[in-house]
Amino acid sequence: GEDVEQSLFLSVREGDSSVINCTYTDSSSTYLYWYKQEPGAGLQLLTYIFSNMDMKQDQRLTVLLNKKDKHLSLRIADTQTGDSAIYFCAESMGRDDKIIFGKGTRLHILP
Amino acid sequence: AAGVIQSPRHLIKEKRETATLKCYPIPRHDTVYWYQQGPGQDPQFLISFYEKMQSDKGSIPDRFSAQQFSDYHSELNMSSLELGDSALYFCASNGVPKGWTNTEAFFGQGTRLTVV
Repeated sequence: GEDVEQSLFLSVREGDSSVINCTYTDSSSTYLYWYKQEPGAGLQLLTYIFSNMDMKQDQRLTVLLNKKDKHLSLRIADTQTGDSAIYFCAESMGRDDKIIFGKGTRLHILP
Repeated sequence: AAGVIQSPRHLIKEKRETATLKCYPIPRHDTVYWYQQGPGQDPQFLISFYEKMQSDKGSIPDRFSAQQFSDYHSELNMSSLELGDSALYFCASNGVPKGWTNTEAFFGQGTRLTVV
């Protein structure tokens, strides 16, 4: 079945790197996503990666995919107070398929 | 750039009432998804439509129904509302020209439904 697991909380000092980890169970997942949700706000797609890729970098964001271990990570370099939010790992099988979300990781930035 | 528009943004209803949420996808997007996010929860998939036909169904209660219209907008109809239906309801749309491999579902800002 489809299942996405991620830790619920992460605290990081401002300026440090944040690494949010996620594991998924369905090996046929084709697209893997990271969404950001600020308090009371909608879902913002940060980045996504195809299952045939190992890494994707976009400015301060680096996504690493270990398909063998079904492990996805999101690294945020130089973490800022504005990065404080809930980060959802998500997967889908294909372009038209529903997106399955993890429980979300609440990132807390320490001064 | 145009985004997914949801209306209303906030809605307060009493128990046993009905509610209709509307979603206007990004122009030329042919797929619409509905998600429900309870307080402190992750978004749960409810139902999706592709080219006006239901394409997938998730944990949508029988009291809820949805459809996609000829202009591709979608409505989620909720009847006999219960306190537990209080949640943020997201709509997302997707549409990729044939031959592309990129996919990106764009989410609306959500409708916050409060049942009292």
